[in-house]
Amino acid sequence: LAKTTQPISMDSYEGQEVNITCSHNNIATNDYITWYQQFPSQGPRFIIQGYKTKVTNEVASLFIPADRKSSTLSLPRVSLSDTAVYYCLVGDMYTGGFKTIFGAGTRLFVKA
Amino acid sequence: AAGVIQSPRHLIKEKRETATLKCYPIPRHDTVYWYQQGPGQDPQFLISFYEKMQSDKGSIPDRFSAQQFSDYHSELNMSSLELGDSALYFCASSADRGHEQYFGPGTRLTVT
Repeated sequence: LAKTTQPISMDSYEGQEVNITCSHNNIATNDYITWYQQFPSQGPRFIIQGYKTKVTNEVASLFIPADRKSSTLSLPRVSLSDTAVYYCLVGDMYTGGFKTIFGAGTRLFVKA
Repeated sequence: AAGVIQSPRHLIKEKRETATLKCYPIPRHDTVYWYQQGPGQDPQFLISFYEKMQSDKGSIPDRFSAQQFSDYHSELNMSSLELGDSALYFCASSADRGHEQYFGPGTRLTVT
């Protein structure tokens, strides 16, 4: 399983774009990159998943460079309600099961 | 839309007692995951099931066991409870291994 490294915490202001970068230097060929959001005392919530280049959905974008050794979650125009912990996960979708390892996530604080 | 159901939502047990946590995945989801999250900690993967067979094991103590039944619901059995087992226990389900996981609201276990 590829180990991931993210910043421990980030601060932002309402209306700004937030970019959280995750490092996964030993990502394997079959590994996908998945991001989750978690509020206190709630289960993590899926945000976005990608394999390479750029993926965009209604809440975020995921940028993955060609070497796939890192990825960046981009949250456009954050609001106070985006204050949460964000986790980057890397795993193989096809071999055996999917042993999901949550590393130390990034605690995002959005200020007014 | 139907979500993952966990019961009970809260459970208080004494040391050395046993506890059973139940998880009902989203209909047609064939993969179930269990996580433990202690206070201020990141979710720790315990075990996963795919099509009623154990798929992967994480940091699950030998005192814990789990299974997935024919109707795809899953139960986490915990024996000889210790104070350190006090945590939020999340169940998640997905449509297939590696696909996005949908988390339940969690069971808060308190061991006194």
